[in-house]
Amino acid sequence: RKEVEQDPGPFNVPEGATVAFNCTYSNSASQSFFWYRQDCRKEPKLLMSVYSSGNEDGRFTAQLNRASQYISLLIRDSKLSDSATYLCVVNTHGSSNTGKLIFGQGTTLQVKP
Amino acid sequence: DAGVTQSPTHLIKTRGQQVTLRCSPKSGHDTVSWYQQALGQGPQFIFQYYEEEERQRGNFPDRFSGHQFPNYSSELNVNALLLGDSALYLCASVSLAGGTEETQYFGPGTRLLVL
Repeated sequence: RKEVEQDPGPFNVPEGATVAFNCTYSNSASQSFFWYRQDCRKEPKLLMSVYSSGNEDGRFTAQLNRASQYISLLIRDSKLSDSATYLCVVNTHGSSNTGKLIFGQGTTLQVKP
Repeated sequence: DAGVTQSPTHLIKTRGQQVTLRCSPKSGHDTVSWYQQALGQGPQFIFQYYEEEERQRGNFPDRFSGHQFPNYSSELNVNALLLGDSALYLCASVSLAGGTEETQYFGPGTRLLVL
């Protein structure tokens, strides 16, 4: 079983749609959680950290459920520029983004006009 | 302020050969991690270097080795290349020695093709 699992998609949505991505992780000792965005043939870039209390950054909302070992990302009012692969990331060895990061396979989003 | 840089951008090798990839961390960063990303997969952690020593290692064979220099730059060496080593190799840097930044920044990667 993979340590971090995501539905690879692709998710094809029209502009303005709301789309949700889910992710599960297997190690209950995991301490910190993130969503990264990766554009085609580019490097991953940190989109946002994920906290148990949930956090929002503009059109993006991330949630963490430690009991279910489940992480989600909600994108509202999708833009064409949101088209990318979204990577769910877990750190089992620290409470920050400094150590070994474990990535999911990534979920591909394609926003169409 | 230069970000993470990697060289070369692309590389073609044949099975059995050896390869060296290079990474310069973001200014102010002292720690370098290497990741392998196969097509259609997420990056997989290879190892991390801090203070010129391997600090953490992922599940990769000894064919994968690294080095960190006093200026914090790093090299990834892969010996006896296999077809399955074809991937995007990403370097990420962060500061562990203090400072306000605790986020790993990735370089653009080196695309390695093994024929």
